[in-house]
Amino acid sequence: EAGVAQSPRYKIIEKRQSVAFWCNPISGHATLYWYQQILGQGPKLLIQFQNNGVVDDSQLPKDRFSAERLKGVDSTLKIQPAKLEDSAVYLCASSFLRTGGSEAFFGQGTRLTVV
Amino acid sequence: KQEVTQIPAALSVPEGENLVLNCSFTDSAIYNLQWFRQDPGKGLTSLLLIQSSQREQTSGRLNASLDKSSGRSTLYIAASQPGDSATYLCAAGAGSYQLTFGKGTKLSVIP
Repeated sequence: EAGVAQSPRYKIIEKRQSVAFWCNPISGHATLYWYQQILGQGPKLLIQFQNNGVVDDSQLPKDRFSAERLKGVDSTLKIQPAKLEDSAVYLCASSFLRTGGSEAFFGQGTRLTVV
Repeated sequence: KQEVTQIPAALSVPEGENLVLNCSFTDSAIYNLQWFRQDPGKGLTSLLLIQSSQREQTSGRLNASLDKSSGRSTLYIAASQPGDSATYLCAAGAGSYQLTFGKGTKLSVIP
């Protein structure tokens, strides 16, 4: 079974530029998550999708961050414009929601550096 | 709001020792408790998932326990090896199947 795929693995941009990350979840997983992990911290949930609908985006800085999940499969996370404090690893995860409390599987993450 | 705490933040042990990592959570209304491993510059690898109705789960040298009433989980690693060196994160699953993470315990196993 293929895992959660993310790209790119690394990205360096200047502040005020825009950037986009892509995620392909495990086939058949209805729930997709984007997490932000700042160095030395645990991952923090940014947004959660159930199929192509948003379940929770309460911690997403909506003035600069946006995310979509096309046809309930792939997802993109965009930052525009980026700030220095956005430097972090962005992790995508998926789970098979129908079994309550199902296991979450994570991708390798995208390490973003804003200079 | 769920808060997850992991103690200690870092741990160094000689190879072969048994060790315990601790995780506590403030809201006992969880669906599950999941332990992950994270190697430097890598994503998270799921180690064990304990459903709220379970008391423990085992996989090889790893054993995780869950006590919902006290808001605690432990990860026991038997006969530690240098390859076990990594950061271990616990996450409490609640609400809309969201995971709330602790900051992790950085484990170093010295040969």
